[in-house]
Amino acid sequence: KQEVTQIPAALSVPEGENLVLNCSFTDSAIYNLQWFRQDPGKGLTSLLLIQSSQREQTSGRLNASLDKSSGRSTLYIAASQPGDSATYLCAVGGSQGNLIFGKGTKLSVKP
Amino acid sequence: DGGITQSPKYLFRKEGQNVTLSCEQNLNHDAMYWYRQDPGQGLRLIYYSQIVNDFQKGDIAEGYSVSREKKESFPLTVTSAQKNPTAFYLCASQPALLPHQPQHFGDGTRLSIL
Repeated sequence: KQEVTQIPAALSVPEGENLVLNCSFTDSAIYNLQWFRQDPGKGLTSLLLIQSSQREQTSGRLNASLDKSSGRSTLYIAASQPGDSATYLCAVGGSQGNLIFGKGTKLSVKP
Repeated sequence: DGGITQSPKYLFRKEGQNVTLSCEQNLNHDAMYWYRQDPGQGLRLIYYSQIVNDFQKGDIAEGYSVSREKKESFPLTVTSAQKNPTAFYLCASQPALLPHQPQHFGDGTRLSIL
């Protein structure tokens, strides 16, 4: 059974710092991997999607990488801002479109 | 604006009562999903539907039921058999089962027990 783990559970950084969030999964037979952002009491916003055949995706200050063989993905956030404060969720996609989620990393960026 | 609308935002359930959470999308997406989120936990899949009049159980379907009579609607009923229904419920949709298509989420319904 696929399991997704995110480390660390919480992270606090000063504004302007570059940071890395980690995601690991136990079964390399994935359809895709997605990173989401969740603000308190809100739904999820899709940040980046990496297909199983891809190695990385970039959007603005965000870069996500995927290493299927080692079961790992990282989300790199450059020049962090207070508006980046949120919970970041990693999810691996199965062949039926269902997503299996990690518990998330709660990020706090201090001015 | 296209999107997913979940209602109500907050819902309270009495003992022995069934309640229904609404999820409507105007994105013309084929697939729809229901997830449950508990504090400090990741989302867990309750039910999903890839086409009208068809749906499958997810990992935690017991105590829940769904219907998919229309492409744009996928309501979730929390039955009295669900003994611990207090959670944040999220509905999602996806254009098709293609690896490059992300899931889109609604803003959720928070269900509590009276």
